[in-house]
Amino acid sequence: AQKITQTQPGMFVQEKEAVTLDCTYDTSDQSYGLFWYKQPSSGEMIFLIYQGSYDEQNATEGRYSLNFQKARKSANLVISASQLGDSAMYFCAMRESHGNQFYFGTGTSLTVIP
Amino acid sequence: NAGVTQTPKFQVLKTGQSMTLQCAQDMNHNSMYWYRQDPGMGLRLIYYSASEGTTDKGEVPNGYNVSRLNKREFSLRLESAAPSQTSVYFCASSEAGTGGRGYTFGSGTRLTVV
Repeated sequence: AQKITQTQPGMFVQEKEAVTLDCTYDTSDQSYGLFWYKQPSSGEMIFLIYQGSYDEQNATEGRYSLNFQKARKSANLVISASQLGDSAMYFCAMRESHGNQFYFGTGTSLTVIP
Repeated sequence: NAGVTQTPKFQVLKTGQSMTLQCAQDMNHNSMYWYRQDPGMGLRLIYYSASEGTTDKGEVPNGYNVSRLNKREFSLRLESAAPSQTSVYFCASSEAGTGGRGYTFGSGTRLTVV
C-alpha cells in the first residue's frame, strides 16, 4: 500500500483565491511527522510546513496551513490568497517514528492563473 | 550558507560509463539520503545512511552504490550507467526523529544517460 497518496496530479487556481491540495497517508505508528514541500520550476525542494501526529492544532506558516484530520489520515495543504509564484509542484511526505526515511507522494502540480 | 551541497548540477553520460555524485552537508546531521525523481513517480529512495559508517538500501537500489565517507559526505556511484538511470537525483540530510523541518535537500543533479 502507498504510504502517501496525492490524488490530484494537476490543479488550477485563480490568483488571490485559496486552494487545497489533498494528501492522505497510511501508517500504524502513533508518532509520525507530516511535511509539505514545494518544488518550483527551478527544481529545488523547499520545506513549507510540518505537522506532528500529537499536535492538536493545525500547523500554519504564513499563507500555508495544514488541515490535519487524524482519524481520516489526511493532511491537506491549504494555500490562502494564491500568488503567481505559488505555481509549482507540491509534495506531501511522512516520516514514521520507527523508521529513518521519508515517504513522498507523487506530487500535485499547481498552476496559478492571473 | 549552511545546507546541502550537491555536485555536479548536470551530467550527460554514455551507456556503460561510470560516475560519482557528490554530496556534503554542514548541518551536523546524522542521516543522509539519495533520492531519484522521475515524472509521475515522486521521489524514490535509492540508499540512505542513518549514521556515519552505515548504509542501507532504499526502494530502488539496483545499479547504484554509496559511500558514507564521513559524517559530512555521502556519495552515490553509478558503476555502469543505463538509460533507465536518466533522472534527477537529490541528496538530502536530516536530524533524527519525526519533527523539525524534515529534510534539507541539495539542489539536485540532472543526469542524462544516452
